[in-house]
Amino acid sequence: KNQVEQSPQSLIILEGKNCTLQCNYTVSPFSNLRWYKQDTGRGPVSLTIMTFSENTKSNGRYTATLDADTKQSSLHITASQLSDSASYICVVKGYSTLTFGKGTMLLVSP
Amino acid sequence: DVKVTQSSRYLVKRTGEKVFLECVQDMDHENMFWYRQDPGLGLRLIYFSYDVKMKEKGDIPEGYSVSREKKERFSLILESASTNQTSMYLCASSLKLSSGRVSYEQYFGPGTRLTVT
Repeated sequence: KNQVEQSPQSLIILEGKNCTLQCNYTVSPFSNLRWYKQDTGRGPVSLTIMTFSENTKSNGRYTATLDADTKQSSLHITASQLSDSASYICVVKGYSTLTFGKGTMLLVSP
Repeated sequence: DVKVTQSSRYLVKRTGEKVFLECVQDMDHENMFWYRQDPGLGLRLIYFSYDVKMKEKGDIPEGYSVSREKKERFSLILESASTNQTSMYLCASSLKLSSGRVSYEQYFGPGTRLTVT
């Protein structure tokens, strides 16, 4: 069964600190992996997409990594800001399926 | 910019009522989706549609139906609302690529928070 597990479930960090969110998956065959950011009361918005051949991709202060061998991805946030407080959702695409993780709730505290 | 709009941000209905949730996208996307999102469970797919008048069940279709009469509009219907359908409902749309029906980046609407009392 296709599964996507995210950790931690929730996280509180101080403004300006870095953090890393994890996503482990068992989706096969693998097509791509996408990280979404969902602000409270809003729909998810795509941050970045990782394909099989990509190891690292950055989008401003967000850097995603992918290890297709171990089926793990991480999202690293550098110099966190209050506006980074949100839920971060990992979504893995198989051939004709999308499997969602349950998300990591990040709170950046002043 | 892709825009996905949902008819209501907040909705309160009584048990047994028929509920319509409307979603409209303005980017000529083939695929449209309805999800519900609950704490601790994440996003779960209710139904999706890959063309006008076409629909497929997602993971949790029980108690729901959908309608897609026009390409830009996808409606979710709760025939007889129940308290366990209290949830956040998210609509999404995407282009359809050649490799399979579920395709590329999904663009989400702002969500409808439905409370059934």
